[in-house]
Amino acid sequence: DTEVTQTPKHLVMGMTNKKSLKCEQHMGHRAMYWYKQKAKKPPELMFVYSYEKLSINESVPSRFSPECPNSSLLNLHLHALQPEDSALYLCASSQATGGRQTQYFGPGTRLLVL
Amino acid sequence: AQSVTQLGSHVSVSEGALVLLRCNYSSSVPPYLFWYVQYPNQGLQLLLKYTTGATLVKGINGFEAEFKKSETSFHLTKPSAHMSDAAEYFCAVSESPGYSTLTFGKGTMLLVSP
Repeated sequence: DTEVTQTPKHLVMGMTNKKSLKCEQHMGHRAMYWYKQKAKKPPELMFVYSYEKLSINESVPSRFSPECPNSSLLNLHLHALQPEDSALYLCASSQATGGRQTQYFGPGTRLLVL
Repeated sequence: AQSVTQLGSHVSVSEGALVLLRCNYSSSVPPYLFWYVQYPNQGLQLLLKYTTGATLVKGINGFEAEFKKSETSFHLTKPSAHMSDAAEYFCAVSESPGYSTLTFGKGTMLLVSP
């Protein structure tokens, strides 16, 4: 089973709202990732967690706050977002970090910021 | 630094025709190479990957790719296109050693006509 699940599928929020995106995997993977994908563009890496510790933060604005409560769960807390933050947010996981590891992606959360 | 170039933002084929999607990479170390497919409003699905060993890699849905070091290429092929193959295809490279930050190409949209 190579399933990564994400909730919700769709989210509409105002610029003053606080919301969270959730990602879950039960493959025993120890690395988890958040990506942002704008329309007709490739995914852009935001954060990498390795063994529940944040290991890469690609200079993402502080209005995005990741959290890894345990090895199976990854959250992305959203606060005071801007309309340009509207995008598809993808979660991925891999057994570990390292070049040869395959990343498995979830279906994404489509976010619209009004 | 690693990079990926996908030639052609759109490729159109007829159903039953050969599919060829081009990917060239740049890497300072032996690369790990991946092809992902993204159907509309979905996440990325792994088609195939090259890590080490055999340079001709077979993937799901009848796709295959050949790693050619001398040409720094990893082109994706399928002998006979189906309507269901219409999607966005991303080539990605990851260097070893180090963290598995995938560098994606810009993507190629495959259009299949009856």
